[in-house]
Amino acid sequence: DIQMTQSPSSLSASVGDRVTITCRASQSISIYLNWYLQKPGKAPKVLIYGASSLQNGVPSRFSGSGSGTDFTLTISALQPEDFATYYCQQSYSTPITFGQGTRLEIK
Amino acid sequence: QVQLQESGPGLVKPSETLSLTCTVSGGSISSYYWTWFRQPPGKGLEWIGYIYYSGSTVYNPSFKSRVTISVDTSKKQFSLKLSSVTAADTAVYYCARHEYSSSSALRKFDYWGQGTLVTVSS
Repeated sequence: DIQMTQSPSSLSASVGDRVTITCRASQSISIYLNWYLQKPGKAPKVLIYGASSLQNGVPSRFSGSGSGTDFTLTISALQPEDFATYYCQQSYSTPITFGQGTRLEIK
Repeated sequence: QVQLQESGPGLVKPSETLSLTCTVSGGSISSYYWTWFRQPPGKGLEWIGYIYYSGSTVYNPSFKSRVTISVDTSKKQFSLKLSSVTAADTAVYYCARHEYSSSSALRKFDYWGQGTLVTVSS
């Protein structure tokens, strides 16, 4: 199985801050990397697919980059609705696996 | 707008079989993979498996032979059966649509159900 490791596990930031979350795969996954946001009691929502493609309807303050084993999700200017848990997910091979999550909290 | 809705018992006894159904509305069930995930309380996401509309399946080996996913295209439903459950199977179970391309990086879970909590307890 491909292990996905996110850092940090939790993060405190303020509205307007620029935030970066990192995801590392245990082997090369090319660009088969997606990012999701999950709010408490809700299903995950896809933000970025193919490492850097923005899902329809997702604000442009979200961006993704990387290839191979190292990936980043950047939020350029945090909005109040962005405080949630973020997961990376590899779609390179089965079993499909997720990172452990990064909890983004209000400072 | 595509919508997915899970349904099934919220309480299952240990050693019994967990059964859930996901109903798809607002879109076609054809040409997509249909997926089950779960999320234990306070923990991360785990992929259980998916089924193509034609009926071919791929399962997470961690579930070994306990899992079966099936599809009924006429009803626009797909189902999950997980046998021999224990307390460790207590989780919120989600169904989702998998948009998949074998030739590009377009492989994403783009529509999800709201999730249903299944508790395993006697």
